[in-house]
Amino acid sequence: QKEVEQNSGPLSVPEGAIASLNCTYSDRGSQSFFWYRQYSGKSPELIMFIYSNGDKEDGRFTAQLNKASQYVSLLIRDSQPSDSATYLCAVNLGSYIPTFGRGTSLIVHP
Amino acid sequence: DAGITQSPRYKITETGRQVTLMCHQTWSHSYMFWYRQDLGHGLRLIYYSAAADITDKGEVPDGYVVSRSKTENFPLTLESATRSQTSVYFCASSGETASGETQYFGPGTRLLVL
Repeated sequence: QKEVEQNSGPLSVPEGAIASLNCTYSDRGSQSFFWYRQYSGKSPELIMFIYSNGDKEDGRFTAQLNKASQYVSLLIRDSQPSDSATYLCAVNLGSYIPTFGRGTSLIVHP
Repeated sequence: DAGITQSPRYKITETGRQVTLMCHQTWSHSYMFWYRQDLGHGLRLIYYSAAADITDKGEVPDGYVVSRSKTENFPLTLESATRSQTSVYFCASSGETASGETQYFGPGTRLLVL
């Protein structure tokens, strides 16, 4: 059974700090990895996707993928209160059917 | 408007009634999905569709029916609503883009079954 694990949190960080969100997955055949952000009462929206081992940067966000260790992480630099949300990790096996983690709640306090 | 829409946004119904939640997307995406989201469970896949007239079960299909006669529409029907089906329902689509497997979510339907 495919599993995607995330710490539910909440993860609390001060404004301006780096927030580090982690996700582990069970299926070694996983090929693509996604991070979604979900504000309270809203629908999930894509932040980043990553396919290859290593880092991928987009503005204040960096996704890190390590297939050997089966984890993917999301770093948020210079965290802002507006980054407070639940972050969902999703993993695909090369199909269009993702497996979602339950999400990590992030709180950025001023 | 372009994008993915859901209707109704809020629905209150009674146990035993039939309810249909609508989902419409304007991108001509091949894949469409229905999820429910409950506290403690995250997003759970109910049904998905790879193309018109092709549907398949997800993780929690019992009590739900879907159809997809047109690419752009993917309605979800609760044949006889139960209180355990009180939830937030999200429709999503994905297709042939640079990040082809990215899911684009509708705004959600909040369903309360009394």
